[in-house]
Amino acid sequence: DTGVSQDPRHKITKRGQNVTFRCDPISEHNRLYWYRQTLGQGPEFLTYFQNEAQLEKSRLLSDRFSAERPKGSFSTLEIQRTEQGDSAMYLCASSPTSGGNNEQFFGPGTRLTVL
Amino acid sequence: GQSLEQPSEVTAVEGAIVQINCTYQTSGFYGLSWYQQHDGGAPTFLSYNGLDGLEETGRFSSFLSRSDSYGYLLLQELQMKDSASYFCAVRFRGSSNTGKLIFGQGTTLQVKP
Repeated sequence: DTGVSQDPRHKITKRGQNVTFRCDPISEHNRLYWYRQTLGQGPEFLTYFQNEAQLEKSRLLSDRFSAERPKGSFSTLEIQRTEQGDSAMYLCASSPTSGGNNEQFFGPGTRLTVL
Repeated sequence: GQSLEQPSEVTAVEGAIVQINCTYQTSGFYGLSWYQQHDGGAPTFLSYNGLDGLEETGRFSSFLSRSDSYGYLLLQELQMKDSASYFCAVRFRGSSNTGKLIFGQGTTLQVKP
């Protein structure tokens, strides 16, 4: 399967714990995005990487959130001191730099539940 | 800021045609995209309008009018498998040129036999 993969698919944690999610984009894609989606809403942009450089962070991304893409391939999203409001689906997407239709390819997501 | 508005729910019967509208308030975007998301699944790309006018891809067509800040997705010959949520999204042209997507809240389409 050459699509975007995310791990884990589900994560249940207690409030105050740290969690880390991984995203493996499509191998030739140098653009990588993280989005968050809550029930009944559209995905909300969190952060963007061009290769290994993090070029934009949403104001939604508090200081408890950090993302990396150390070698310009896979990316990790860490949430420290989780809160119940962090419960959501965390989606990763990738795309090539150039693309006529600007399609972003989404992974299956990591569903986080904070108890 | 940027915002997109879509109807929250639409119901139609198998074989029919349905149109899902999207109005937006934003400036500086490349184009309007549509994504489909089944329950528990990932959003998947359906279509993109970079220019005004109609784009057709099989049973799906999408339209954009920048002067009216309006677009729509047209689904023809509806099938049961088309029951899903549909999101319009603008590809934002910000200072960082990231191409991030700003999504609407989504329209849940229910196709009935």
